Amino acid sequence: DIQMTQSPSSVSASVGDRVTITCRASQGISSWLAWYQQKPGKAPKFLIYAASSLQSGVPSRFSGSGSGTEFTLTISSLQPEDFATYYCQQANSFPYTFGQGTKLEIK
Amino acid sequence: QVQLQESGPGLVKPSETLSLTCSVSGGSISSNSWSWIRQPAGKGLEWIGRFYTSGRTDYNPSLKSRATVSVDTSRNQFSLKLNSVTAADTAVYYCARNLPSSPYFFDYWGQGTLVTVSS
Repeated sequence: DIQMTQSPSSVSASVGDRVTITCRASQGISSWLAWYQQKPGKAPKFLIYAASSLQSGVPSRFSGSGSGTEFTLTISSLQPEDFATYYCQQANSFPYTFGQGTKLEIK
Repeated sequence: QVQLQESGPGLVKPSETLSLTCSVSGGSISSNSWSWIRQPAGKGLEWIGRFYTSGRTDYNPSLKSRATVSVDTSRNQFSLKLNSVTAADTAVYYCARNLPSSPYFFDYWGQGTLVTVSS
């Protein structure tokens, strides 16, 4: 299985900050990567696919980049509703696997 | 707007079969592929399996052939059966739609249902 490793595991930031989360794959996955946001007690929300394509309706402050084994999710200016846990997911090969999550907390 | 809703028993005994159904509204189940994903409490997400409109299914090998995903087009529902469950199968189970343009990602999710395996 392809292992997905996110860093950091948690990060504290303030409203208005720019935040970057990294996801590394244990082997190359081209651009077969998605990002999800999950709030406590809720289902994940689909944000970005194919590494950098923004899902319809997702604010433009979210962006994704990378290919191969290293990917980033950037939130350009944090809003109060962005504090949540973020997961990456690879779709290059079965079984699809997720990162362990990055918890974004209010400083 | 596509909506998904999981239903099924919240408590299953060890060695028995977990059975869940996902009801889909706002879209035809025949025109997309559909997945099940689970999340143990306080942990990450695990993809379980997927049903394609062609009838093909794919499963996570970690489940050792215990999982079966099927579709009932007449009811616009799809289901998950997981047999020989143990406490390790205790989790919130989500049904999800695979993104139509790239069915390797999950664009719509149900709210999730907690299944506890305990005697």
